[in-house]
Amino acid sequence: SAVISQKPSRDICQRGTSLTIQCQVDSQVTMMFWYRQQPGQSLTLIATANQGSEATYESGFVIDKFPISRPNLTFSTLTVSNMSPEDSSIYLCSVEGAGPTDTQYFGPGTRLTVL
Amino acid sequence: GEDVEQSLFLSVREGDSSVINCTYTDSSSTYLYWYKQEPGAGLQLLTYIFSNMDMKQDQRLTVLLNKKDKHLSLRIADTQTGDSAIYFCAEIFALTGGGNKLTFGTGTQLKVEL
Repeated sequence: SAVISQKPSRDICQRGTSLTIQCQVDSQVTMMFWYRQQPGQSLTLIATANQGSEATYESGFVIDKFPISRPNLTFSTLTVSNMSPEDSSIYLCSVEGAGPTDTQYFGPGTRLTVL
Repeated sequence: GEDVEQSLFLSVREGDSSVINCTYTDSSSTYLYWYKQEPGAGLQLLTYIFSNMDMKQDQRLTVLLNKKDKHLSLRIADTQTGDSAIYFCAEIFALTGGGNKLTFGTGTQLKVEL
C-alpha cells in the first residue's frame, strides 16, 4: 500500500477566498484521484489527475472551481476557488495501488470549513 | 445506475458480531471493497472481494457477496469498541480516460456499546 499525506489537515477560510490542498505520495503512481465528502455524506469523485495531462472532471465539477495540478508522479494539488459555505467538506486524495485489485488508498483528508 | 445503499446506523454490544449490509446496482464491477472511517480520520481499506467469489474471510472479517441479488455484507466477529466507525462499501467502475472510479455507499455508522 502507498503512504499518502495531505496538507493542510484542516483549515477555516473566509467566503470568496481560495485554498490549495497538497497531496504527497511515497511512491510514483500514475493516477491520483480527488474526492469530496460533504458533512454526513459519502464520498464523491471530483476528478482524476494523471501526470502530464489535464485532469478529468466528473459531472458537476469544473476546472474553474477545482483546478488541479499534477507536476510529477508523487504529487498533486487541488484548489478550491472562490469558496462558499457549501464547499465545507473533507477533501481526500487517493491513489491506485499496484497489482490487479485496482485498490485505492486514501490520504488522511483535509477538513475545510468556509465561513 | 451507480447507487450503492447501506443502512445508516448499527448498534451492537461488545463481543457480539456485527453485520453491515450493502446493496449495489452494477453487476459488472470486478471488485467490491469495504473501507473504515474513524472520527476525524481518512479512509482505511479493510478488505475487498473479487466479483467471482462469494465469500472471503480475513481474521475477524467475513465478506459475503451475492452477485445475483447485488448484495454485499461485512461481518465483524467479536466486535470491539475500537471497531466503532463509519463503514463504507464501494464498487469500482472503469473510467473512459483510464483508471477506475470508486462509487461509495452511503456509509453505516457502527456503534459498539459496553
